[in-house]
Amino acid sequence: QKEVEQNSGPLSVPEGAIASLNCTYSDRGSQSFFWYRQYSGKSPELIMSIYSNGDKEDGRFTAQLNKASQYVSLLIRDSQPSDSATYLCAVLWRVTGGFKTIFGAGTRLFVKA
Amino acid sequence: NAGVTQTPKFQVLKTGQSMTLQCAQDMNHNSMYWYRQDPGMGLRLIYYSASEGTTDKGEVPNGYNVSRLNKREFSLRLESAAPSQTSVYFCASTVTGAYGYTFGSGTRLTVV
Repeated sequence: QKEVEQNSGPLSVPEGAIASLNCTYSDRGSQSFFWYRQYSGKSPELIMSIYSNGDKEDGRFTAQLNKASQYVSLLIRDSQPSDSATYLCAVLWRVTGGFKTIFGAGTRLFVKA
Repeated sequence: NAGVTQTPKFQVLKTGQSMTLQCAQDMNHNSMYWYRQDPGMGLRLIYYSASEGTTDKGEVPNGYNVSRLNKREFSLRLESAAPSQTSVYFCASTVTGAYGYTFGSGTRLTVV
């Protein structure tokens, strides 16, 4: 059974701080990794994807991947109250005939003004 | 640019009633998905369609059926609704399954 684990939180950080969100996964064959942001009552929105070991930066967001440790993280620099949301980690792997994605249950982030 | 459109946004059903959730995308995506989201359990895959003409079961298919009507449309049917199907349902699509998804706005379904 493939699993994606996230701390449910809530994670509370002050405005301007770095928020660090973590995710572990069980399948070493996993190929692609995604972070989605979901505001309360809204649908998930893709914010980052990462496919190889190392860091990938996009504005205030940095995704980090360590396949040996089966660990992926999302850093949010200069956190803003508007970043308050649930962040979902998603892991993709190849199966016969295509691909499958499993989502973690999400980490709730609160950014205090 | 509508993206992924789901209808209805809200629905209340009585136990045993049937209904169909509609999903349409205008991004020329090949793969489409139906998920349900329950508190504390994250998104769970119900059914998916890797390409037009194909459908396959996901993690929690029992009590549901799907139809990939054409490349744009992918519907989810509840034949005999049960209270356990009370959830928020999301449709999603992607160019191919190897990429991230675009989600619809969701359907909040309550079965009483």
